[in-house]
Amino acid sequence: QQQVKQSPQSLIVQKGGISIINCAYENTAFDYFPWYQQFPGKGPALLIAIRPDVSEKKEGRFTISFNKSAKQFSLHIMDSQPGDSATYFCAASGGTGGFKTIFGAGTRLFVKA
Amino acid sequence: DADVTQTPRNRITKTGKRIMLECSQTKGHDRMYWYRQDPGLGLRLIYYSFDVKDINKGEISDGYSVSRQAQAKFSLSLESAIPNQTALYFCATSDPPSGPQHFGDGTRLSIL
Repeated sequence: QQQVKQSPQSLIVQKGGISIINCAYENTAFDYFPWYQQFPGKGPALLIAIRPDVSEKKEGRFTISFNKSAKQFSLHIMDSQPGDSATYFCAASGGTGGFKTIFGAGTRLFVKA
Repeated sequence: DADVTQTPRNRITKTGKRIMLECSQTKGHDRMYWYRQDPGLGLRLIYYSFDVKDINKGEISDGYSVSRQAQAKFSLSLESAIPNQTALYFCATSDPPSGPQHFGDGTRLSIL
């Protein structure tokens, strides 16, 4: 009930292409769904987040699509750039375990120049 | 200066040694967390603290202990290190119960 499943484990995209990372959750009490970006030697940093009252949120080239009925959400990176090469984690928190954030296993993205 | 500072950044030690990892924050958040990161496993919660008097076990607390010395300081100890505790360790803080977490840059720990 507390798991967040993330796919793919790794992703290679050409510069200018669209990167898509998917996550699925089980606990319907979750009410906050962030994506974190991590570069080598650094801690994860919040990239973009969504709450379940909306189906999409866009910030620049980054978009979260949220499907409450399917319990799935995804990150879309438009016009992917080499500087986007990093590890991306989806996460979920809220409900009775609001103080705990459950993380996906991570996706290593490589954008080829 | 970083909002969440972890020391040391790298540590190599031997099996059986006691190790302390330290975390300090300037964000003024009450909630602090210790995570472990392993390839393919994401971030797993070791311990968390809501305030100085509150300490809670996470999903993988065996072999670890923590101390919350002040609102700004939260340390993680390995009483007797073993090789499978080799990992990246991250400290994080948060303010709202259901909101973003703010991470330090981690400690890379190797146990030989």
